[in-house]
Amino acid sequence: KAGVTQTPRYLIKTRGQQVTLSCSPISGHRSVSWYQQTPGQGLQFLFEYFSETQRNKGNFPGRFSGRQFSNSRSEMNVSTLELGDSALYLCASSLAPTGRVPSNYGYTFGSGTRLTVV
Amino acid sequence: EDQVTQSPEALRLQEGESSSLNCSYTVSGLRGLFWYRQDPGKGPEFLFTLYSAGEEKEKERLKATLTKKESFLHITAPKPEDSATYLCAVQAPGNQFYFGTGTSLTVIP
Repeated sequence: KAGVTQTPRYLIKTRGQQVTLSCSPISGHRSVSWYQQTPGQGLQFLFEYFSETQRNKGNFPGRFSGRQFSNSRSEMNVSTLELGDSALYLCASSLAPTGRVPSNYGYTFGSGTRLTVV
Repeated sequence: EDQVTQSPEALRLQEGESSSLNCSYTVSGLRGLFWYRQDPGKGPEFLFTLYSAGEEKEKERLKATLTKKESFLHITAPKPEDSATYLCAVQAPGNQFYFGTGTSLTVIP
């Protein structure tokens, strides 16, 4: 069974540019969450989508946006990139939306996209 | 302010030397506490979810426990392959997740 697939694995962008990251969840999973991971802040929740609707949103500026398609694939977009946006961006999928995941299941993470802003 | 703190930041153990990792939280109305393992270059791998104080979960050499203010991940007789960063996350009433910065565990043969 294929896991969560994130593309690309690595990306280098210039300040001021925009970037789009992609996440394909495990087949049958309808919930996709996005996280930013940095050495200093750890993992920080960006947003969650379920059935093409944004259900939850973390404390990030409006430059960070996302969407989910009817096949549950999700994209995350960051506009007007800043140096501080350099991070590992992780996507996680689950069968059910947040709050309804069985206790023995949890969320499955992809390996992430390493974004470097120069 | 909702917060999750993990300690220690780093831990070095000899193979077979048991120890515990701590995750303390200040989130009110906890909806769930999650433990993950993360290897270098990979995303976190789910280990356990705990929902209420007094709950315990076990998996091989790992055992997670939960109180009203903290969770412990006990590692019994660790092996080198247990070396990884262990992350704790709490789910708040608004369904937001807050992660700790992790404990980097190294098990020396």
